[in-house]
Amino acid sequence: DTGVSQNPRHKITKRGQNVTFRCDPISEHNRLYWYRQTLGQGPEFLTYFQNEAQLEKSRLLSDRFSAERPKGSFSTLEIQRTEQGDSAMYLCASSLVDDEQYFGPGTRLTVT
Amino acid sequence: KQEVTQIPAALSVPEGENLVLNCSFTDSAIYNLQWFRQDPGKGLTSLLLIQSSQREQTSGRLNASLDKSSGRSTLYIAASQPGDSATYLCATLSSGSARQLTFGSGTQLTVLP
Repeated sequence: DTGVSQNPRHKITKRGQNVTFRCDPISEHNRLYWYRQTLGQGPEFLTYFQNEAQLEKSRLLSDRFSAERPKGSFSTLEIQRTEQGDSAMYLCASSLVDDEQYFGPGTRLTVT
Repeated sequence: KQEVTQIPAALSVPEGENLVLNCSFTDSAIYNLQWFRQDPGKGLTSLLLIQSSQREQTSGRLNASLDKSSGRSTLYIAASQPGDSATYLCATLSSGSARQLTFGSGTQLTVLP
């Protein structure tokens, strides 16, 4: 399968713990995006990379959130000191520059 | 700031009916517009992408139109089937420096057998 993959698919954590999600984009895609989706809403942009450079961050991305794409391939999104409000579906997408974005299956985070 | 609105929020139709889903956006300075399908608890599947210079795109039973000047797009689904039941989302990509998709809240479609 050559689509976007995300791991884990589900994560349950206790408030205050740190969590890390991984996204593997389509191999030839140089752009990688992170979005967050809550129930009944459309996804909201968090951040994006072009190759290894993080070019934009949303105001939604508080200082508890950090994203990396160390070699311009896979990316990780870490949330430190999780809060119940962080419970959401975290979606990753990839694209060629300004082209169609392809989404992964998402990681559903539940903070208890 | 771009705002994307989808009306109606939910729609229920009998199988075989042709239907139109609506999407409107406030900032016409878009690079492209994408329509997605999302099944419950799943990721997004891209259906159609319309570049800002285009007026429509077709794929199978789906046809999407774009009127950038009026800030509107429609997704037409012909001969609907129960398997079309899902949430349909539209999203615009800004033509400015902020390269992010801005999504509507979606239309939840149910096609009754």
